[in-house]
Amino acid sequence: GAVVSQHPSRVICKSGTSVKIECRSLDFQATTMFWYRQFPKQSLMLMATSNEGSKATYEQGVEKDKFLINHASLTLSTLTVTSAHPEDSSFYICSAEKETGELFFGEGSRLTVL
Amino acid sequence: EDQVTQSPEALRLQEGESSSLNCSYTVSGLRGLFWYRQDPGKGPEFLFTLYSAGEEKEKERLKATLTKKESFLHITAPKPEDSATYLCAVQAENDYKLSFGAGTTVTVRA
Repeated sequence: GAVVSQHPSRVICKSGTSVKIECRSLDFQATTMFWYRQFPKQSLMLMATSNEGSKATYEQGVEKDKFLINHASLTLSTLTVTSAHPEDSSFYICSAEKETGELFFGEGSRLTVL
Repeated sequence: EDQVTQSPEALRLQEGESSSLNCSYTVSGLRGLFWYRQDPGKGPEFLFTLYSAGEEKEKERLKATLTKKESFLHITAPKPEDSATYLCAVQAENDYKLSFGAGTTVTVRA
């Protein structure tokens, strides 16, 4: 199956700092990537849809100035959590859409804000 | 609004004890229903996509079926390595987004 890589897998940062998470499709080109957030024992909540070369589309209630998304190439999307606070601590997961329409997920990134 | 409800929330099975997980959905025109497996601290791993009522797909001990209102994931003679959270998601015809259920956490004891 297709491979989607996320980095870092775990990050701990101080409150007020910014954290960048990368999502790469390793063996296919993805015009569309999705960013999700998952709280413990809850399902994935879509945060935003990232399209290569254009602005991301954010879901209702997601602060676009807080969660900056950049889709610079067909294989890379980044999520930057700006001025992170403890309530931003969560498991962030990306997915990339293959041309067949299948979605493949990254391994996730656990963010802990102290 | 699309809704996906999975039951039960948790399922504890003895090795070899077959069972089924349910995913009930409401969507304005179904493009596809997806099943994923998620291990703790990991991203979801794709299992199946079902597109139309009556469709069935199998992979090892797993079999997914679809009706117009729900999907079942049957686990036949499960092994401890089948322990995971199984997520169901739907994609509407007029949208590209996936709406996920809360998942069913399966624990298989040896």
